[in-house]
Amino acid sequence: AQSVTQPDIHITVSEGASLELRCNYSYGATPYLFWYVQSPGQGLQLLLKYFSGDTLVQGIKGFEAEFKRSQSSFNLRKPSVHWSDAAEYFCAVGDGGYQKVTFGTGTKLQVIP
Amino acid sequence: GAVVSQHPSWVICKSGTSVKIECRSLDFQATTMFWYRQFPKQSLMLMATSNEGSKATYEQGVEKDKFLINHASLTLSTLTVTSAHPEDSSFYICSAVANGYTFGSGTRLTVV
Repeated sequence: AQSVTQPDIHITVSEGASLELRCNYSYGATPYLFWYVQSPGQGLQLLLKYFSGDTLVQGIKGFEAEFKRSQSSFNLRKPSVHWSDAAEYFCAVGDGGYQKVTFGTGTKLQVIP
Repeated sequence: GAVVSQHPSWVICKSGTSVKIECRSLDFQATTMFWYRQFPKQSLMLMATSNEGSKATYEQGVEKDKFLINHASLTLSTLTVTSAHPEDSSFYICSAVANGYTFGSGTRLTVV
C-alpha cells in the first residue's frame, strides 16, 4: 500500500530565509507525487506535481520540488519565504490515473518577521 | 484550468438532521470524484470514491449508510451526512481527477 511520511509537523522560518519541507513516500511503481497547500479554513491548492520526466519540478508561488527515486523523497523548496507562505503543506502520492491519493500528515509552516 | 466547486462552504446543523454537500466540476466531466474528511490538525483521509452511474466505493471503517454518496451526472457528486451527530463535525472536501486531482474548497460541518 502507498504511504507518505512528512517527518516535520511544524517548521518556523524567518521571512526571506530558504525553506525545505521533507516528504518521503512508499510506493511500488513510479509514483504520482503532489504538494498541496492549505490556508486556515480553506481548501487545498495544488502547488506542483510530478508524473514523469524532469525530476526537478517547478510550481506556483516560487516553489519547486525534486523527485529522488533512490531516496524515495519529494522535498519541497523555496529560496525565499514570504509571510503569506504561512500555511499547512501536504505531500501526497497517487497511483496514477483515476486512483486515490494518499496524503501525508502535513507540515505547518510558520513565518516570522 | 479545471475547477471544482463545492457548496456550502460551511454549515451548522442540529443533531439528528441530514446535511447535503455538493461538488461540481465546472469545466470538465468527472467520471470519478473522491470525498475526504479532515479532522482538526490532522491530514485528509479518503472516505469514498464516487463513480458516475454506479455505487460509491467506501474505505474501511466508513459507514456507507451514514455517508450517502450520489454521482448521478458527470459534473455533480453529492455527499449526504444522515442523522448527523457532533462527532461528524469535520471538514469535508471533494476532489476530481483533472490536472492532478483538483480539489473543491471544502465544507466545514458543525453539528450542534
